[in-house]
This record gives sequence, structure tokens and C-alpha cells, in this order.
Amino acid sequence: DQQVKQNSPSLSVQEGRISILNCDYTNSMFDYFLWYKKYPAEGPTFLISISSIKDKNEDGRFTVFLNKSAKHLSLHIVPSQPGDSAVYFCAARYSGGGADGLTFGKGTHLIIQP
Amino acid sequence: NAGVMQNPRHLVRRRGQEARLRCSPMKGHSHVYWYRQLPEEGLKFMVYLQKENIIDESGMPKERFSAEFPKEGPSILRIQQVVRGDSAAYFCASSPARDLGAFFGQGTRLTVV
Repeated sequence: DQQVKQNSPSLSVQEGRISILNCDYTNSMFDYFLWYKKYPAEGPTFLISISSIKDKNEDGRFTVFLNKSAKHLSLHIVPSQPGDSAVYFCAARYSGGGADGLTFGKGTHLIIQP
Repeated sequence: NAGVMQNPRHLVRRRGQEARLRCSPMKGHSHVYWYRQLPEEGLKFMVYLQKENIIDESGMPKERFSAEFPKEGPSILRIQQVVRGDSAAYFCASSPARDLGAFFGQGTRLTVV
């Protein structure tokens, strides 16, 4: 069973517009969420995170929103730039016991069009 | 200030051979995580180690896979008697403490022929 779901395998956005990447999770024990960006043949690069005690975290062009009641989070990138074209992974973990690793979604391939 | 270093970047093994993947964490990091990414899939957690200790191996296949992080030297992920289904990208991540964010290496792409 997939506990972290990214239902859009790909997303195409025009340069300068807003990119919105979505992520849903099923495990209510998750209390920390992260977004990673990955270029081909490279490892994931950490982008931004959010704790379950918050509903928004902002860092430059990147903002993550968390809706705990809906078990949904989203990453907003504005304005979108060509270098943002990559695969974006949503990840989650819970702090109290259990597995220490992150649970990742399958990723969304973001394509920024000029 | 080197990041997480993984080698080799690419590894080809015949079925039945052994594969050894190495990971040198960032300086000052004593926590290492291994993940596997199959084609068209997200990363799947395999094992979490601190120096000389396996803390959580809940994601490791029960047979043929082992990991270590000795007092000196890199962390090693070892796959014995590889099969075609082991072909994947294997990523290592390190962090300075358990609950802090992890930094990923560039991965080792294992191909079993």
C-alpha cells in the first residue's frame, strides 16, 4: 500500500507562472513532510519541509501548504523558472518509533515551458 | 566541503555475483540511510545505520542484502548473488543527527545482466 501518493506523474507549466505540485498521504502518524527535487542521474536535493504543527512554510519562491484534515500537502513554486524542470518527490516520516526512514511518493515530473 | 560520496556511480554485475556499494557521508555526519529506487518508482527506505550499529533495517530484503557502517571507512551496502530484479538506483543519505534532514549522494546505478 502506498502511504504517500503523488497522483500526477507529470505537470507542464509556462515559465513565469505558478507551479503547484500535490501530495496526499494516508498515514495519520506522519508528522514531518519534505519536498525533494531530482535531476536525472543525480541524487535528490532537499527543497523545503514542514512540521505537522504548521500549515504553511515559505522559502523564497517555494511555499509548502499542509492540510492535515485532508491529509494533503502542496508545493507552490512562483514564478516558475526553466531550472525548475525536474522530478519532485514528496516525502513523509513520523517521529515516534517505527521506521526511521522517509516514505516517498513516486514523484511528479515538472516541465517548465519557455 | 564534500557532499555525500557514493561509488561506483555505475556498477554492472552478472547474475549470481556480489555487488558492493559504498557511501562516504558528509563530514561530521554519523547517520546513514540507504534507499533504493526502482524504475518509475519513488525511493524506498532500506536501512538506517549509525557508526557500527544498524538502527532500523525494516526496509531491507530478508535475504542476500546486508549493510554496515564501520567505525572507520564508508558505509557498505552488500548484495549477494544478485538477480535481475536488483537492478535499480541505490541512494545513500547522511545526516548529523536522527531527526535532522538528510543529504543525498548521487546514487549508484546497479545493472544486473
